[in-house]
Amino acid sequence: GQQVMQIPQYQHVQEGEDFTTYCNSSTTLSNIQWYKQRPGGHPVFLIQLVKSGEVKKQKRLTFQYREEKKNSSLHITATQTTDVGTYFCAGRSSNFGNEKLTFGTGTRLTIIP
Amino acid sequence: DAGVIQSPRHEVTEMGQEVTLRCKPISGHDYLFWYRQTMMRGLELLIYFNNNVPIDDSGMPEDRFSAKMPNASFSTLKIQPSEPRDSAVYFCASSLVNTGELFFGEGSRLTVL
Repeated sequence: GQQVMQIPQYQHVQEGEDFTTYCNSSTTLSNIQWYKQRPGGHPVFLIQLVKSGEVKKQKRLTFQYREEKKNSSLHITATQTTDVGTYFCAGRSSNFGNEKLTFGTGTRLTIIP
Repeated sequence: DAGVIQSPRHEVTEMGQEVTLRCKPISGHDYLFWYRQTMMRGLELLIYFNNNVPIDDSGMPEDRFSAKMPNASFSTLKIQPSEPRDSAVYFCASSLVNTGELFFGEGSRLTVL
């Protein structure tokens, strides 16, 4: 089964509302990355988190890596139409074998103008 | 700088035919990854190479799939014979180091009839 889950699977928000996606792993991760994939496009790297409890910000995006290093979240403040896409977390763990980067199930964000 | 280049962008073929997907990684990147993306299974790692050597092919679905990297600037993913359930978008990605960000190509959309 899936080892890295994301919730929700889909999220529809009005433009200007906030959005949060949660990433949950079945095992402790050595690091976690976040990617964004626009409709019809390819995943594009956003950020990497390494330290337990780490919080990083990129303009309206806030990324958090929880203390136990199994969970992470991405929060977007005041969404814009350009935020449309699917957001993936991806984590590495020795339990995944060869520290492979395993992608989460993704959260698809749609914006209602 | 050119990113990861994949070809073909789209391929439609009939069941039983051989399919070859091609990838040129970013120059200087030592790691190359092949991922498959479907609605049902999300982004799955098929195989990855380090310095042209296959490191982990545990994600390759079955013997019909094979991948090669004859030199640092070229890799192929071959499916022979193809089946309808192989229909997916196949992404190639490269990275400078194993723990670094992945740079994805635009993908090859495969449809097997």
